Amino acid sequence: SQKIEQNSEALNIQEGKTATLTCNYTNYSPAYLQWYRQDPGRGPVFLLLIRENEKEKRKERLKVTFDTTLKQSLFHITASQPADSATYLCALDTGGFKTIFGAGTRLFVKA
Amino acid sequence: DTGVSQNPRHKITKRGQNVTFRCDPISEHNRLYWYRQTLGQGPEFLTYFQNEAQLEKSRLLSDRFSAERPKGSFSTLEIQRTEQGDSAMYLCASSPEERTHRANYGYTFGSGTRLTVV
Repeated sequence: SQKIEQNSEALNIQEGKTATLTCNYTNYSPAYLQWYRQDPGRGPVFLLLIRENEKEKRKERLKVTFDTTLKQSLFHITASQPADSATYLCALDTGGFKTIFGAGTRLFVKA
Repeated sequence: DTGVSQNPRHKITKRGQNVTFRCDPISEHNRLYWYRQTLGQGPEFLTYFQNEAQLEKSRLLSDRFSAERPKGSFSTLEIQRTEQGDSAMYLCASSPEERTHRANYGYTFGSGTRLTVV
């Protein structure tokens, strides 16, 4: 069956360090993969999208990699700040109109 | 335009009652999606509209659920005879048709309607 897996345990890191979040998937052939941030009681906010033919994409302190052979995406936040504390969701899109979300990973950045 | 607006933000209802939620998407977006999210889980797809046409419904959308998007503008999601298992956050998102825009900006979500069935 199709499955998206993100680190189920929360990630705790010290301010200034790089946070790395993992998204693994099985039985999908996504055309592209998205990452969203979600704060408690709010809807997800789009961060980055990476296509299947792209290896890496950057936006300010964010970097996403996409390995279609490993069926894995890594999401990095460099120079992390307490304000980066949130839940981060990966989402797969097979090119149609239905986007499938992972359960998310909670990130806590301590000052 | 201030983004996707959802009303109400919170709804508490007794089991067996009917509820209706409203979503106002970004006006230029012709695609509208409903998702449901329970605690600790990611959003689950419910249904999708392109303009006024409902093009896809998830198996999660039982006969008690109905969604409309008259005139391709706002959308409503109705749940009849609510059950405790319906308690969740109901999220609405919109996006434009144009693929390059979606690639740069993804989906725009509203803040959701939190439903509690007691």
